[in-house]
Amino acid sequence: QVTLKESGPALVKPTQTLTLTCTFSGFSLSTSGMRVSWIRQPPGKALEWLARIDWDDDKFYNTSLKTRLTISKDTSKNQVVLTMTNVDPVDTATYFCAREYDSSGNLFDFWGQGTLVTVSS
Amino acid sequence: SYELTQPPSVSVSPGQTARITCSGDALPKQYAFWYQQKPGQAPVVVIYKDSERPSGIPERFSGSSSGTTVTLTISGVQAEDEADYYCQSTDSIGTYVFGAGTKVTVL
Repeated sequence: QVTLKESGPALVKPTQTLTLTCTFSGFSLSTSGMRVSWIRQPPGKALEWLARIDWDDDKFYNTSLKTRLTISKDTSKNQVVLTMTNVDPVDTATYFCAREYDSSGNLFDFWGQGTLVTVSS
Repeated sequence: SYELTQPPSVSVSPGQTARITCSGDALPKQYAFWYQQKPGQAPVVVIYKDSERPSGIPERFSGSSSGTTVTLTISGVQAEDEADYYCQSTDSIGTYVFGAGTKVTVL
């Protein structure tokens, strides 16, 4: 059974660094073709893809946010971590992590429930 | 930056057909995926690789592609299909993008 769960602070102050953790089970990020992405959604707005990390440690970032994002994985802990520097109130959003697997058609087939992060002083 | 363009809203009566378009320059070369999102829930894929339907998704959901436009069709719309629908694809450098979403209202 594949599950993903996001965790992190609910409230962050402007200019601080946000660190989010995606803890998953039911698959291994060392399996060829496995990928995990972070996606966010401001309240009442659209989904926005942020970053992706692959089984071979390849990393991809949203070009508009690339300078502020870092994605990493800890395969032994089944975790993917996203850090976002210099946060602003516009970064207030629900942050999701989602799995993608080549053998499943490269769709986001499993998602976490999302975690709401508010950026406010 | 690369963009996928969707209509903001589509309204349809129960039993009728809803069509949602998504346009993007890279769509002739990159697959499109469609996600359904209901309030307070994570998105669920309804179509992948332009026209493939995952197991468990009703047959009334179908996808097609023509040039720079992909289309999600919901045939025989039901009240439970009222949701936001997002197309998603890949740009020329391998990063992902979502469309702005289309709100489907069942009248």
